[in-house]
Amino acid sequence: VQLVQSGAEVKKPGASVRVSCTVSGQTVNEVSIQWVRQAPGKGLEWMGGFDPINGGTIYAPRLQGRATLIDDTSTNTAYMELTSLRSDDTAVYYCALSDVETIGPFELWGQGTLVTVTS
Amino acid sequence: YVLTQPPSVSVAPGQTATISCGGRGLGGQSVHWYQQKAGQAPVLVVFDDSDRPSGIPERFSGSKSGNTATLTISRVEAGDEADFYCQVWDSTTDPYVFGTGTRVTVL
Repeated sequence: VQLVQSGAEVKKPGASVRVSCTVSGQTVNEVSIQWVRQAPGKGLEWMGGFDPINGGTIYAPRLQGRATLIDDTSTNTAYMELTSLRSDDTAVYYCALSDVETIGPFELWGQGTLVTVTS
Repeated sequence: YVLTQPPSVSVAPGQTATISCGGRGLGGQSVHWYQQKAGQAPVLVVFDDSDRPSGIPERFSGSKSGNTATLTISRVEAGDEADFYCQVWDSTTDPYVFGTGTRVTVL
């Protein structure tokens, strides 16, 4: 299985960004995709992803309302959209694969997508 | 919910590096560890406290005692230099929580 993400983005404050994560080797609805971001020089921050407990999508409370995660089975791609961008959203955004049936580790990561928010 | 790690650990080649991860209730949670080399995505090196994914050298081992988990790197090599993060799942806050991170420097 491989995860391949879209390229770097530069956005203005208030705009939206969509990052894609294409899954190869399995279908996107057979895997659990999580999204993690890392601001420059900072640690890892979980954003949201598939919830193996109830089969839905769960978001980090601090991003509730601004982040939307969707899976497109026609392209085998997971998308992360973040709206109302602020400068502190500048980060590398990663998708990661975890087990679909149990709560487990992030077994495989995409290469990362740099999103820069600047006026 | 905070997972506390030492900011940095320095170790000479061939020696052993130990990285701690502390958090309330850690004793009842599965701890996972990730290695992130400069400019690269994280890689899982230990899961469920002490298991290793295929392809990860036996030099990487995990353990846990009470509310502290430990990642041990034996016979450290220059290529082990990286940031390391612990992670747990906690239903009371953000479900997936990462530690504060530890930079391992090989002298």
